[in-house]
Amino acid sequence: QTVVTQEPSLTVSPGGTVTLTCASSTGAVTGASSANWFQLKPGQAPKSLIYGTRNKHSWTPARFSGSLVGGKAALTLSGVQLEDEAEYFCLLFYGDDQIWVFGGGTKLSVL
Amino acid sequence: QVQLQESGPGLVKPSETLSLSCSLSSGSISSYHWFWMRQSPGKGLEWIGRIYYNGNTNYSPSLKSRVTISIDSSKKSFSLRLTSVTAADTAVYYCARELNWKVDYWGQGAPVVVAS
Repeated sequence: QTVVTQEPSLTVSPGGTVTLTCASSTGAVTGASSANWFQLKPGQAPKSLIYGTRNKHSWTPARFSGSLVGGKAALTLSGVQLEDEAEYFCLLFYGDDQIWVFGGGTKLSVL
Repeated sequence: QVQLQESGPGLVKPSETLSLSCSLSSGSISSYHWFWMRQSPGKGLEWIGRIYYNGNTNYSPSLKSRVTISIDSSKKSFSLRLTSVTAADTAVYYCARELNWKVDYWGQGAPVVVAS
């Protein structure tokens, strides 16, 4: 069974920069994985942030960016704000099986 | 603005079938994949499966034996059926839209509790 792994928790100071990563048990994450990133806050619907590894939605704040780093998908927040405290999930596509798999999520604390 | 809305019973008995619908209030149902996902209490998001507007489906291997997703294009809606539910299926269920590997719009979520 395919497992997608994210850091369980990270802490960043306001104004700082933090990178969340997303690794696949099947090997390196590539562009074909079409990584999507989502922000989830309690009581709210998930918010789509990034698609296709690095593309932003029209509503995605500029401080969020996506990339591939060391065989993993990555979400970088630059100039973190208090409102960015949330849980972040990546979602990877596995074309051979035509399925998507979520990472376990990263709880980001802004302190 | 694309809006998706989940609907269905909030309480299902163990061993019974969970049924949810997702309605699209604006925009076309054609040319997209439509997802079902869930988040169990204290846990992460789980992808359940998807349906293409033409009816083609893909399911999570862990749920495949119990899941059916269907679509009614005339009503601009799609549905989830999950059979033989247990307490482990208690979750907030979400629907969402995907086009060319871009997941964009989500519903607000429908909480479902499995209990007798």
